[in-house]
Amino acid sequence: DTGVSQNPRHKITKRGQNVTFRCDPISEHNRLYWYRQTLGQGPEFLTYFQNEAQLEKSRLLSDRFSAERPKGSFSTLEIQRTEQGDSAMYLCASRDDGYTGELFFGEGSRLTVL
Amino acid sequence: SQQGEEDPQALSIQEGENATMNCSYKTSINNLQWYRQNSGRGLVHLILIRSNEREKHSGRLRVTLDTSKKSSSLLITASRAADTASYFCATAPSGGGNKLTFGTGTQLKVEL
Repeated sequence: DTGVSQNPRHKITKRGQNVTFRCDPISEHNRLYWYRQTLGQGPEFLTYFQNEAQLEKSRLLSDRFSAERPKGSFSTLEIQRTEQGDSAMYLCASRDDGYTGELFFGEGSRLTVL
Repeated sequence: SQQGEEDPQALSIQEGENATMNCSYKTSINNLQWYRQNSGRGLVHLILIRSNEREKHSGRLRVTLDTSKKSSSLLITASRAADTASYFCATAPSGGGNKLTFGTGTQLKVEL
C-alpha cells in the first residue's frame, strides 16, 4: 500500500494556461474524490468517482474544470484557461466501498496562477 | 460550501495541557470524522464517530457527539509539540450520501 499519490506537487502557471493534475489512488479503492482547499479554509468538495463513473459534481466545478477517471484507476483534473482565483491546493482522496469510510488523502497539488 | 463551523479558529497551549476543539454542523449526519493536517500537507484521518454513538476514544483522543445540538468536540489530552497542526471535522450525510463535508478547521499550536 503506497498511499494516494498526486502529481505534480506544485505548479506555477500564467493566467490563461491549462493545467492538469494526476491522482493515483490506493489500488483497491473504488471511490475517488477531488477537493479544493484555499488558505485558512477547510477542503471543499469538487467531484466524486465510483470506478470510472463521475457520480457527483459540485457547483464549484465550472465549465473550465474537467475530471476523468479512465478505467477506474488513476484520475486527472484539468483546469482550462486558469484564473488567479484558481490558486489553491487540489486534494485527491480515495476510499473503499464501506458504507461509512474514512478518506485517505494524497499530499495535494498546489497551484499558483500568476 | 462548508458544512459547519469550528471553534476556536486558533488555539495555543503549552505542552502537557489538554486541547479541546468544537465543531457544529447543519444537517443530519450518518457519521462525523476528525482529520488532522500539517502545514502544506494532506489530511490524515484521526477518528470516526457514528450518529448513534455519544463518545469515542482513541489513544489520547476523545470525541463526543451531540446530535440534538448538532455538535461534536475533540479533546487531545497531554498535548505534545508534534500535535501542532490544523484539525477539521467532516460530516457524512445521513441516507448514505457519498461526500464528506469539511468544517473550517481549528489551528492548534502546542508550545514547549
